[in-house]
Order: sequence, then structure tokens, then C-alpha cells
Amino acid sequence: DVKVTQSSRYLVKRTGEKVFLECVQDMDHENMFWYRQDPGLGLRLIYFSYDVKMKEKGDIPEGYSVSREKKERFSLILESASTNQTSMYLCASSLPLSGANVLTFGAGSRLTVL
Amino acid sequence: QKEVEQNSGPLSVPEGAIASLNCTYSDRGSQSFFWYRQYSGKSPELIMFIYSNGDKEDGRFTAQLNKASQYVSLLIRDSQPSDSATYLCAVNQASGGGADGLTFGKGTHLIIQP
Repeated sequence: DVKVTQSSRYLVKRTGEKVFLECVQDMDHENMFWYRQDPGLGLRLIYFSYDVKMKEKGDIPEGYSVSREKKERFSLILESASTNQTSMYLCASSLPLSGANVLTFGAGSRLTVL
Repeated sequence: QKEVEQNSGPLSVPEGAIASLNCTYSDRGSQSFFWYRQYSGKSPELIMFIYSNGDKEDGRFTAQLNKASQYVSLLIRDSQPSDSATYLCAVNQASGGGADGLTFGKGTHLIIQP
């Protein structure tokens, strides 16, 4: 089974802090994604990457950046955390399967910004 | 902006009955369609995907796709209390598939009543 591991399950940070969320997948998937999930808003795509050192903006990239230095690792960075970034962050990786881009998610990182 | 619409529910179904979950999408170019299940406090997990018009069955689950009506549904036969969860409909972000991630609906909360 594909395993997507997010390093922190729960984090509490203060406004203005720099925050790193780490994600590692163990199945050599090329594509990796960061979503956030909020009640009433659902899952929204922040950034994705289809190769090492490549990154693409998703639907809500403002206030975030990403890093992909190795194929298995995709990091989400909040340069200066704000309270409206309090959310559940979900990392996913994917491999095309029968023509469909099937995403496998990590357990999530719940971030609270005070 | 591509949109995926689901009734948020809750949808209450007696144990042993058929649960029917519906989803519409706005982008006629979408080609792959996914159903994920998400238990409270957990990350989404794939149930099944479909990309051809018609029905696709997997155990107690049947996905139905009607591209002309831009409509996807999920039927759960012989519903069990363990099926109580939020069901997320998702479509591929870019026409023709690819690595661009999925657009998710906000989910339908399903309750199976014993």
C-alpha cells in the first residue's frame, strides 16, 4: 500500500511565525499535492508538483509556498502564519491508474494559528 | 472556476437499504470522476473511480456516470452503520486527465440508522 506520511499531526503556532509542513511518500509517485480542508468549504488545492523542483499553483496559493527537493518529499511553507490559515492540511500523492489520476492522502496536519 | 456540487445532507438511510449519493460538475471537459469516503477526523480514502458513461460496480458500491447531464452518482447497497461518513465527489482538475489534481465537492454526510 502507498503510504503518505505527514510529519506533524497537530501544530499550534503564533501569528507571524514561519511554519513548515512536511510530507513524504514511499511509492515513487511523481505527483504530489497540498490541500486544505475547512468546514463548509471542502477541500481546496493549494499547490501541486509533478516533478522534483517543479511546482504549480492550485486554487488558493496566496500566503503559501512549497518545496520539492526530492521526489518523495513535498513541503508546504507558511512564510508568516495568520489566523485565517488555521485549518486541516492534507498532503496527497498520485500515480495515473487506468487513465485516472488517483490520489492517496496522508493523515492530515491540523494547524492552529493563535 | 470548475465546480463540483453535492447536497451536504445529512442523508439518513435505514440499515440494509440503498443509499444514493449525487454529484454534478460544471466542466464538460472533465474525464475522470472519483468517490472518496471520509470518516470524522480521518483523511479521505478512495472508494472508486469511473471515466466511462454508464455503471461501474465494486462490491456493494456502484458508480454511475452521465456525461451528457454532467452527473455522477454513488449507490451503496445493503447499507451498514459503518458506511456512515462524509462522501466526497471529485473530478480531475484538467480536461484529459493529467497531474493537476482533483476538484472536490463539499461532501454529503451520510447516516445509516440501525
